[in-house]
Amino acid sequence: QSVLTQPPSVSAAPGQKVTISCSGSNSNIGDNYVSWYQQLPGTAPKLLIYENNKRLSGIPDRFSASKSGTSATLGITGLQTGDEADYSCGTWDSSLSAVVFGGGTKLTVL
Amino acid sequence: QLQLQESGPGLVKPSETLSLTCTVSGGSISSSSYYWAWIRQPPGKGLEWIGSMYYSGSTSYNPSFRSRVTISADTSKNVFSLKVNSVTAGDTAVYYCARQVGGLLRWSTLGDYWGQGALVTVSS
Repeated sequence: QSVLTQPPSVSAAPGQKVTISCSGSNSNIGDNYVSWYQQLPGTAPKLLIYENNKRLSGIPDRFSASKSGTSATLGITGLQTGDEADYSCGTWDSSLSAVVFGGGTKLTVL
Repeated sequence: QLQLQESGPGLVKPSETLSLTCTVSGGSISSSSYYWAWIRQPPGKGLEWIGSMYYSGSTSYNPSFRSRVTISADTSKNVFSLKVNSVTAGDTAVYYCARQVGGLLRWSTLGDYWGQGALVTVSS
């Protein structure tokens, strides 16, 4: 069971927008930076967003993220079939003294 | 361009030690303000941070691994390694090495570069 909670799956049509939530607590999301990762099938994770809302160089501005209190959200606009992947959130947990992740959300572009 | 590559046995027997090495090319593991991390992903499950080593050699581990884990480095070969003792079937996973950027672990960013991953199966 993951420390951060994400929905198992989300779906949307090509061209549409989707949001993926990541819920935590005061000791993790509420107190530290959140990162977001994309994992295409059979590949290593790829960092998309760091420090809550900063896109890594080369990441399209279709990807955005925000944080409010103990929750974070990843948004993807103009969905493409190539966006089909698992998306995970991660942060530091000050109580556990560990990096923690969500269980991942599988995005299906219908 | 920085590249990381995991290597090691793909099959380990229960109760034995899992050993993996991450070879870093295109950059030095001795560069300041970088950590070098190990993360694993059991089949069909989420990511799990194992631990990180700062460029200075200091280490931080996930408490859930208790004392089973050791991360070390050989700067002369530009590699860092992972050892997990007393493995069980629950340690079967894809193991990734990755770079982590930042001065303090709490405020660092994990994974601007990743290895491709190495599947390790624990079975007799």
